[in-house]
Amino acid sequence: DAGITQSPRHKVTETGTPVTLRCHQTENHRYMYWYRQDPGHGLRLIHYSYGVKDTDKGEVSDGYSVSRSKTEDFLLTLESATSSQTSVYFCAISEGDRYGYTFGSGTRLTVV
Amino acid sequence: GENVEQHPSTLSVQEGDSAVIKCTYSDSASNYFPWYKQELGKRPQLIIDIRSNVGEKKDQRIAVTLNKTAKHFSLHITETQPEDSAVYFCAAALGGYQKVTFGTGTKLQVIP
Repeated sequence: DAGITQSPRHKVTETGTPVTLRCHQTENHRYMYWYRQDPGHGLRLIHYSYGVKDTDKGEVSDGYSVSRSKTEDFLLTLESATSSQTSVYFCAISEGDRYGYTFGSGTRLTVV
Repeated sequence: GENVEQHPSTLSVQEGDSAVIKCTYSDSASNYFPWYKQELGKRPQLIIDIRSNVGEKKDQRIAVTLNKTAKHFSLHITETQPEDSAVYFCAAALGGYQKVTFGTGTKLQVIP
């Protein structure tokens, strides 16, 4: 496939609970990203990573944290889920400067 | 930060006609402009990109143009086919960590 997998594909969780989404790549790409997709907003960057243990915030990072302890894995954690975090979450990987993204299949998260 | 505006939000064309989607960006330092196609329920996929040192690029029925002075770039699809129906996203990126800012998307419907 595309060398990038996300898990879980679907999740329903309750308000206030922590949630972790996983992105796994087999391409050995340096750059990994988490985006959320919402109607009317397109894709918005949550956090990104430019190497193991090197991460930074995107435009909608409040309420989210990330970790990257291995090149192949990038985890997104919702520390205390809220209904406003109901969304489709996409992970993406990139070879680097001015190369396009390869996206994962997405995780549909519903917070009730 | 970068801001990307995309128009129109929806576009309906007859099969065989051309479709044009337009985007503007705010950061004159952006130097990479990819376009993604997202079919219903699928991941976004890169269809074409252009770098800031190029004014136009073509790939079969798809072409992109870039006007750096005006900070405009456009996607042109000729001889549209039903399988072109999807949501198209423009994006702009500043090199380095390759943080991409997306437009809000254009839903293209090709009517057979």
